Amino acid sequence: GEEVAQTPKHLVRGEGQKAKLYCAPIKGHSYVFWYQQVLKNEFKFLISFQNENVFDETGMPKERFSAKCLPNSPCSLEIQATKLEDSAVYFCASSQYGGGSDTQYFGPGTRLTVL
Amino acid sequence: QQQVKQSPQSLIVQKGGISIINCAYENTAFDYFPWYQQFPGKGPALLIAIRPDVSEKKEGRFTISFNKSAKQFSLHIMDSQPGDSATYFCAASISTGFQKLVFGTGTRLLVSP
Repeated sequence: GEEVAQTPKHLVRGEGQKAKLYCAPIKGHSYVFWYQQVLKNEFKFLISFQNENVFDETGMPKERFSAKCLPNSPCSLEIQATKLEDSAVYFCASSQYGGGSDTQYFGPGTRLTVL
Repeated sequence: QQQVKQSPQSLIVQKGGISIINCAYENTAFDYFPWYQQFPGKGPALLIAIRPDVSEKKEGRFTISFNKSAKQFSLHIMDSQPGDSATYFCAASISTGFQKLVFGTGTRLLVSP
């Protein structure tokens, strides 16, 4: 497709529950990025992929967050045992060539609310 | 080193006026500076971008000014329109290799009719 698709649009979880978010990059784009946008608009980089390979995971709290991009499947971001501070909008972006000056196209985001 | 500082936090401009948003960075390895526009409930979308080998880039009503020595860059929106009301984010990245975007904290622009 021509747009980055993200599902679900909204997700509500009780503290301690699992949350799983999905992202379908633009067709032909091999690079996927996940960002977290918290209430004060700050974007935090989480992880990036080149096809199914993790490229940079320096932003991921690895004890609870995991992500995958498998062939012929949407990419996923999973949070085990959600905490209140995980409440945020999670954006997926994709780019064609992956270079730092290649345009990243963002999806509409998944709003996660942890109660 | 990785931060990009953005100001102001919010801005109200009259229709037809000029909106100016400023950003500053510390990491001299940054060499690609995009601006993203985000409407409520939507993901950010690329508006305009600049590399430090030029001091200015203009696309329609949007202009980026870049000052390499001061490590600052700014977005100017000429003839601001109510439809420009959105949140604007500056960002920076390193163009060589496969690099994440480092975002500023955003400026909420309201253009009054």
